[in-house]
Amino acid sequence: EVQLVESGGGLVQPGRSLRLSCAASGFTFDDYAMHWVRQAPGKGLEWVSGISWNSGSIGYADSVKGRFTISRDNAKNSLYLQMNSLRAEDTALYYCAKDRGGVGLSYFDYWGQGTLVTVSS
Amino acid sequence: DIQMTQSPSSLSASVGDRVTITCQASQDISNYLNWYQQKPGKAPKLLIYDASNLETGVPSRFSGSGSGTDFTFTISSLQPEDIATYYCQQYDNLPPTFGQGTKLEIK
Repeated sequence: EVQLVESGGGLVQPGRSLRLSCAASGFTFDDYAMHWVRQAPGKGLEWVSGISWNSGSIGYADSVKGRFTISRDNAKNSLYLQMNSLRAEDTALYYCAKDRGGVGLSYFDYWGQGTLVTVSS
Repeated sequence: DIQMTQSPSSLSASVGDRVTITCQASQDISNYLNWYQQKPGKAPKLLIYDASNLETGVPSRFSGSGSGTDFTFTISSLQPEDIATYYCQQYDNLPPTFGQGTKLEIK
């Protein structure tokens, strides 16, 4: 059974940093691209960042480019999101999502339950 | 970025009704269009990929069609457990973008 478990969310002040983690199990992690998708309270879905199976291809939404860094550790079956210079508008539930493919972008066939990030003073 | 416009934003229907949601892309995306269901307090779930392919395990009352810029998602006979918000998503170009969602309620 595929499982994606996010952690690392919490309350943080504007301008500070936070690192999210996603622990994956139930599939061959290093065969698939992975993504972070967020959802602000009461709002829709927004793709944040994605990374190919071997970290050779990485993409970011313009809203986080230069502030967030996605990475993965295939030996640990884990995905990460380093979030720096956090803003109030980054407040959201952050989902880890598995891609159907390994290199490019296709569709998100499994999602974690999310970790909540609240940016507030 | 490719803009995805869903309609309607909300919809109220009765059990057994046929329900249709549309999604329009701001440019041609071929069939690179997916549909997700999100129940309250839950993560999204993939229902339809590549415009018309039913994800494994998804009931056959769900279907999708379309190509280019205009797409349709249909529930052939609405069930109480279908109460959710539905999102379309394109993956023709980075960044992948979602529609604003359609909130489906039981009348």
